[in-house]
Amino acid sequence: EAQVTQNPRYLITVTGKKLTVTCSQNMNHEYMSWYRQDPGLGLRQIYYSMNVEVTDKGDVPEGYKVSRKEKRNFPLILESPSPNQTSLYFCASSLREYNEQFFGPGTRLTVL
Amino acid sequence: AQKVTQAQTEISVVEKEDVTLDCVYETRDTTYYLFWYKQPPSGELVFLIRRNSFDEQNEISGRYSWNFQKSTSSFNFTITASQVVDSAVYFCALRYTGGFKTIFGAGTRLFVKA
Repeated sequence: EAQVTQNPRYLITVTGKKLTVTCSQNMNHEYMSWYRQDPGLGLRQIYYSMNVEVTDKGDVPEGYKVSRKEKRNFPLILESPSPNQTSLYFCASSLREYNEQFFGPGTRLTVL
Repeated sequence: AQKVTQAQTEISVVEKEDVTLDCVYETRDTTYYLFWYKQPPSGELVFLIRRNSFDEQNEISGRYSWNFQKSTSSFNFTITASQVVDSAVYFCALRYTGGFKTIFGAGTRLFVKA
C-alpha cells in the first residue's frame, strides 16, 4: 500500500531533550516536506527536500534540522525542544514539483 | 509576498445547502500551482484538487466544483448540496516554482448540520 509513515504518533518530552521524528515513504517520491499545524495558523512548512542530500528551509525552520540520506526517509530532528514547538507535525511526499502531496498520519508532540 | 488567505474561519450550514469556501492568494510568480486539501475530524489530510496557473478552466467533480480566476487571484471551492460527511477543515495551498516552497492558508472549518 502506497503510504507515508511517521513515528512516533504521539510524544511527550521535556525541554532540551533531543528527539527525532521519522518519516518514510514507499512511493519513490522525489520531494518531501515537514509541516507543523497550529490552531488558526494552518500548516506551515518547516523544511523540504527535492532529492537525496538536497534540503531547504521552509517558513519556520528555526529549532529544527532535517537530513535526506536516502530517498525514502526524511527525519525531523529537534536538537533542543522548547514548549513553543508543541504542535502537530505532518510529513508529506510528492512525485514532482507540481504534484499533490501525500501526507503521513501526523505526530502530536508535547514539550513540557 | 507569497500569501494565501482563507478569510472564513468557520462556516456552518444545514445539510443540502450549497457552500463556497474562499481562497485568495498573492504571488509574484507567473507559474504556480494551487491545491485544496480536506482534513476531516479524524485528522488526516486528503488531496482534493490541483490547478496550474496557466489553466483557468473550472472543474467539477461530483458535488465539488472549483472556480479559478487569475484576474482576482482567487481559487474558490463550492460544495453543492452539502452533506454531514463534508464537515472538515479545508485548506487552500500555493506552491511556486523553482523549489518546493508551499504556503497554506489558515483553513476554513465547515460544519454541516443534519
